[in-house]
Amino acid sequence: GQQLNQSPQSMFIQEGEDVSMNCTSSSIFNTWLWYKQDPGEGPVLLIALYKAGELTSNGRLTAQFGITRKDSFLNISASIPSDVGIYFCAGQLRGGSQGNLIFGKGTKLSVKP
Amino acid sequence: KAGVTQTPRYLIKTRGQQVTLSCSPISGHRSVSWYQQTPGQGLQFLFEYFSETQRNKGNFPGRFSGRQFSNSRSEMNVSTLELGDSALYLCASSRGDSHEAFFGQGTRLTVV
Repeated sequence: GQQLNQSPQSMFIQEGEDVSMNCTSSSIFNTWLWYKQDPGEGPVLLIALYKAGELTSNGRLTAQFGITRKDSFLNISASIPSDVGIYFCAGQLRGGSQGNLIFGKGTKLSVKP
Repeated sequence: KAGVTQTPRYLIKTRGQQVTLSCSPISGHRSVSWYQQTPGQGLQFLFEYFSETQRNKGNFPGRFSGRQFSNSRSEMNVSTLELGDSALYLCASSRGDSHEAFFGQGTRLTVV
């Protein structure tokens, strides 16, 4: 089936550093969403992107919808310990059902104080 | 505004049994989708319900079924449980005209 290639799989960074992760696909997406999941909890929506080229920020988080509609990236600036968790990208395929999101495998972020 | 509520949080079942999971969406949301999350396969789409009708279905066997009630609450049923069904089951709600899906905390199902 359809899949998103999310990288890196994991990151170990120092507190205060910036973080960048991305998702790519061979398919075209109408929507890109970025989620964060803490252990034992459900994913929490961070940023939603709807237009190619769109750049959206949410505090220290910035995400962009790629021009080709096949990729997206998420940046976290000045990381802090509470940024630890697994970050997922998700997208809705062009022509796909609104409820059917395709998820990346996640990027596990660890922050050293 | 209350978030998405899933019950129960944890379940332990025996192979061959069946299980029913419940999801109450955010008030005003008419779409409920179900996902299975496992370490090996990640988050995989099971099905979506909108206004009591199944609108889309993922690639899962017929043992996995669901329904939605008139108040938008949804239930998911898994029959003849297998060890491989052990997973975190997540439901997500959205308005139906928006792609922004909000997840519940999930139900952790363990099949022994």
